[in-house]
Amino acid sequence: AQTVTQSQPEMSVQEAETVTLSCTYDTSESDYYLFWYKQPPSRQMILVIRQEAYKQQNATENRFSVNFQKAAKSFSLKISDSQLGDAAMYFCEGSYDKVIFGPGTSLSVIP
Amino acid sequence: DVKVTQSSRYLVKRTGEKVFLECVQDMDHENMFWYRQDPGLGLRLIYFSYDVKMKEKGDIPEGYSVSREKKERFSLILESASTNQTSMYLCASSFSFRRRDRGGGYTFGSGTRLTVV
Repeated sequence: AQTVTQSQPEMSVQEAETVTLSCTYDTSESDYYLFWYKQPPSRQMILVIRQEAYKQQNATENRFSVNFQKAAKSFSLKISDSQLGDAAMYFCEGSYDKVIFGPGTSLSVIP
Repeated sequence: DVKVTQSSRYLVKRTGEKVFLECVQDMDHENMFWYRQDPGLGLRLIYFSYDVKMKEKGDIPEGYSVSREKKERFSLILESASTNQTSMYLCASSFSFRRRDRGGGYTFGSGTRLTVV
């Protein structure tokens, strides 16, 4: 079965601290992409970061980075130096022969 | 810089009405998608289209239909709105549906929050 699981419905982080959002997935395919999207309250969902399965190197985009553990089928998102604007729903997506989204994690940032 | 535009941000419709949700993209993407987003359920695919006049059912197509007469426009139609179709509807587009070419991911619209009373 092809799945994407986010086990943390809600998370919070102190401003300027680091937080890690978890995502696990399952697929029998060898060629796929994984994505993290951010959806701020009442605003558009935007792509934060992408990872190609065949690349060993973890993707990084400014304060956002991933920890991609292919054997463990884990794809966590790390946000460094958290800012108030990082407060949002975060969705993990697996792009296999079909696209599957996780249920999302709501991140709060505490001033 | 707007790339995917959904015509309405909020809609309130009555039960039994025919409802049209419009989506336009200006990126020349081949593929367009309609998702429904509900708390705790994440995003669920309603329909998608990989070419003009082509459409494929997603995971929850019942009660919906779509139309794609032009490459840039993808419409979602609720033939007879019901209260259980109250939801956030998200339109998205992507360059290619093929897995190998999906490195760009999705570009989403701002969403339409539909309330059926």
